[in-house]
Amino acid sequence: RKEVEQDPGPFNVPEGATVAFNCTYSNSASQSFFWYRQDCRKEPKLLMSVYSSGNEDGRFTAQLNRASQYISLLIRDSKLSDSATYLCVVNAQGGSEKLVFGKGTKLTVNP
Amino acid sequence: GAVVSQHPSRVICKSGTSVKIECRSLDFQATTMFWYRQFPKQSLMLMATSNEGSKATYEQGVEKDKFLINHASLTLSTLTVTSAHPEDSSFYICSATDRASSYEQYFGPGTRLTVT
Repeated sequence: RKEVEQDPGPFNVPEGATVAFNCTYSNSASQSFFWYRQDCRKEPKLLMSVYSSGNEDGRFTAQLNRASQYISLLIRDSKLSDSATYLCVVNAQGGSEKLVFGKGTKLTVNP
Repeated sequence: GAVVSQHPSRVICKSGTSVKIECRSLDFQATTMFWYRQFPKQSLMLMATSNEGSKATYEQGVEKDKFLINHASLTLSTLTVTSAHPEDSSFYICSATDRASSYEQYFGPGTRLTVT
């Protein structure tokens, strides 16, 4: 089982749509969780951290279910500029700074 | 936010030559830097963790004699790909941790290496 698994995608949605990405992780010792976005041929950029209680940042909502080792990202009212690959990221274990990246899910928002 | 730079952004070299990539934290001190490699349509894979003033810690399967890492100061780490081969062609990305922002890693813009 891969350490971090994501929806394979790609997702193609119209502007204004709501889209959800799912992610599972295998290491129950992981304590830090993130969503990054990566544009084509660019470096990943942090979109948001994911907290146990769930958190929201504008149109983006992240959820964490530790029991199921499941993380989600919801994008509401999607914009053309949201087109990117979304990476689910967890830390390797406990207090480790090492990050483990999912393969990413590509999103294309169409006009 | 914190800024990390990489140089060069793109390099083409011939098989058998060595290439050095620099990673700098511009506005913070990075005790730890990380080197990743990303092949097309694949996830970022951690190659090694670079600690200032000490030897790098390599991930399983990464040859330490081929990928030389030096972290001589709190703002600079270098990765040297020695005797490069076409299969080393990849996108190399560094990141640095700003200890003031626990676990947040700031990524450099990446270096695209093509070995011919």
